[in-house]
Amino acid sequence: GENVEQHPSTLSVQEGDSAVIKCTYSDSASNYFPWYKQELGKGPQLIIDIRSNVGEKKDQRIAVTLNKTAKHFSLHITETQPEDSAVYFCAAMYSGGGADGLTFGKGTHLIIQP
Amino acid sequence: GEEVAQTPKHLVRGEGQKAKLYCAPIKGHSYVFWYQQVLKNEFKFLISFQNENVFDETGMPKERFSAKCLPNSPCSLEIQATKLEDSAVYFCASSQSTVSTHGYTFGSGTRLTVV
Repeated sequence: GENVEQHPSTLSVQEGDSAVIKCTYSDSASNYFPWYKQELGKGPQLIIDIRSNVGEKKDQRIAVTLNKTAKHFSLHITETQPEDSAVYFCAAMYSGGGADGLTFGKGTHLIIQP
Repeated sequence: GEEVAQTPKHLVRGEGQKAKLYCAPIKGHSYVFWYQQVLKNEFKFLISFQNENVFDETGMPKERFSAKCLPNSPCSLEIQATKLEDSAVYFCASSQSTVSTHGYTFGSGTRLTVV
């Protein structure tokens, strides 16, 4: 089965600086890679995703890059703000058109220092 | 906007008691997923449904866990004879068609505490 490793487990950055979270996956068949943000007491919220036919995707201050050869993908947040503080999860799956399950990384606790 | 509705928000059960959790997926979503999130943030996939049919139940501890998604009713996850290690937050998610097209939407979870 798929195995997803995520680093770092905790990341503290100054407000306004950039944050990068990295994930690796094991199953070369995986073709869908979402990122979720989870705030305390809430469910995960999809913030960006990327499919295996694309190398990079950007949405305002967040971007995701995918390197299929190396089997790793990264989340980049620029101009960080206090409201970016949360736990971020990467995930991977092979989507064959059915109700396939996501395999999650263990999360990164992002702390934005004022 | 539309949301995945999970009830109850909190549930406390004595060891050995039954627990039943409910999930109403977003209207029109064909796929439902259950995940267990334990203390260290790890998500464990439990089961998925395509409409009322079980699609993948490889993560379910079948001796005590069961789940259903019946037409015109909330989906449910039931734990018979709860154990202390079942204490976790249980999340339900739904998806419109294939996950890679639309992604999942998660509910806000049910926190189960077994004492």
